[in-house]
Amino acid sequence: GENVEQHPSTLSVQEGDSAVIKCTYSDSASNYFPWYKQELGKRPQLIIDIRSNVGEKKDQRIAVTLNKTAKHFSLHITETQPEDSAVYFCAASIGGGGGSNYKLTFGKGTLLTVNP
Amino acid sequence: DGGITQSPKYLFRKEGQNVTLSCEQNLNHDAMYWYRQDPGQGLRLIYYSQIVNDFQKGDIAEGYSVSREKKESFPLTVTSAQKNPTAFYLCASRTRGYTEAFFGQGTRLTVV
Repeated sequence: GENVEQHPSTLSVQEGDSAVIKCTYSDSASNYFPWYKQELGKRPQLIIDIRSNVGEKKDQRIAVTLNKTAKHFSLHITETQPEDSAVYFCAASIGGGGGSNYKLTFGKGTLLTVNP
Repeated sequence: DGGITQSPKYLFRKEGQNVTLSCEQNLNHDAMYWYRQDPGQGLRLIYYSQIVNDFQKGDIAEGYSVSREKKESFPLTVTSAQKNPTAFYLCASRTRGYTEAFFGQGTRLTVV
């Protein structure tokens, strides 16, 4: 089955700096890669996602890149702010089409701390 | 108010007892999931279901059971066979395709 590895487990940056979180996946059939943010005491919420037919996707200060050959994808947060402090999870799934099985596998998470 | 609801928020169980966690969604989603969240372990998949009357084991299914008799409901039973059941449990649902999973607010289970 799918295995998703996420690094680093903790990341501390100064406000205004950039933060990068990296994930690798094992199943070459995976084609959908979402990222979730979980603030303390709250439920995880989707912040950005990418399909395997796209190499990069941006949404304001966040971006995700995907390298299908190497089977890794990364989350980039620019101009970090204290409110970006949270746990971030990457995930992998097979989405769409007849081969979908909807299994959604998460990495172990990265605790991001943005220091003012 | 549409969404996915878990109950109860806190649950205490005596050793040797089975306990059932509730998860209900009114989003008309096909797929539903149960995850266990422990510090430093991320979200580990227990069971998932893609359609009514069908479900698959996730990575840590031992000691757990589920049912999917209705599209809206996906209850999780933590049995006495689960040796370390104290954890935070999250339910999620999503529809077909490349879609967002929506999470419930979670149930914190404590064995006393």
